[in-house]
Amino acid sequence: DVKVTQSSRYLVKRTGEKVFLECVQDMDHENMFWYRQDPGLGLRLIYFSYDVKMKEKGDIPEGYSVSREKKERFSLILESASTNQTSMYLCATGVYGYTFGSGTRLTVV
Amino acid sequence: KQEVTQIPAALSVPEGENLVLNCSFTDSAIYNLQWFRQDPGKGLTSLLLIQSSQREQTSGRLNASLDKSSGRSTLYIAASQPGDSATYLCAANNYGQNFVFGPGTRLSVLP
Repeated sequence: DVKVTQSSRYLVKRTGEKVFLECVQDMDHENMFWYRQDPGLGLRLIYFSYDVKMKEKGDIPEGYSVSREKKERFSLILESASTNQTSMYLCATGVYGYTFGSGTRLTVV
Repeated sequence: KQEVTQIPAALSVPEGENLVLNCSFTDSAIYNLQWFRQDPGKGLTSLLLIQSSQREQTSGRLNASLDKSSGRSTLYIAASQPGDSATYLCAANNYGQNFVFGPGTRLSVLP
């Protein structure tokens, strides 16, 4: 089975900090995705990547960037964290069907 | 652009009941449809994946069907248990496109 590992389950960061969320998958998949999930808003796509060094903006990329230096690792970067980025962040991989990580609950204070 | 809806938003049933969760999508040229389960504070766990050439998939007490012409998928849960309590999401994609997710149905199975 595909395993998707998100490095942290819970994070608390201060406003203005640069935050890195890491995601690693072990099945050599090309496609990787970052979502955020908020009550009443569902899952919203932030960024995705179909290949190493490639990145595409999703529906809500503002305030975020990504890095994909290796196929198995896709990092989400909050350049200057703000309180409105407090959310559950979910990483996924797959083509015909998605496999998700366990999520990172980020709180920005 | 594909849009996915799920009704109802929440459902409460007594233990042992058979139940159906609904998922509707707007573009019938669907490529895949996937059902997920999400427990509070956790990630999404894949339950069933139906490819466009298939009509249904089964796993244990779960059966998912796909009717492309009507733009609907249903997830049937037999003999529900309190451990089935969770939010269930469906997602659909068209060929070459990312999956689009529904808002989910929050299921409570009462002992």
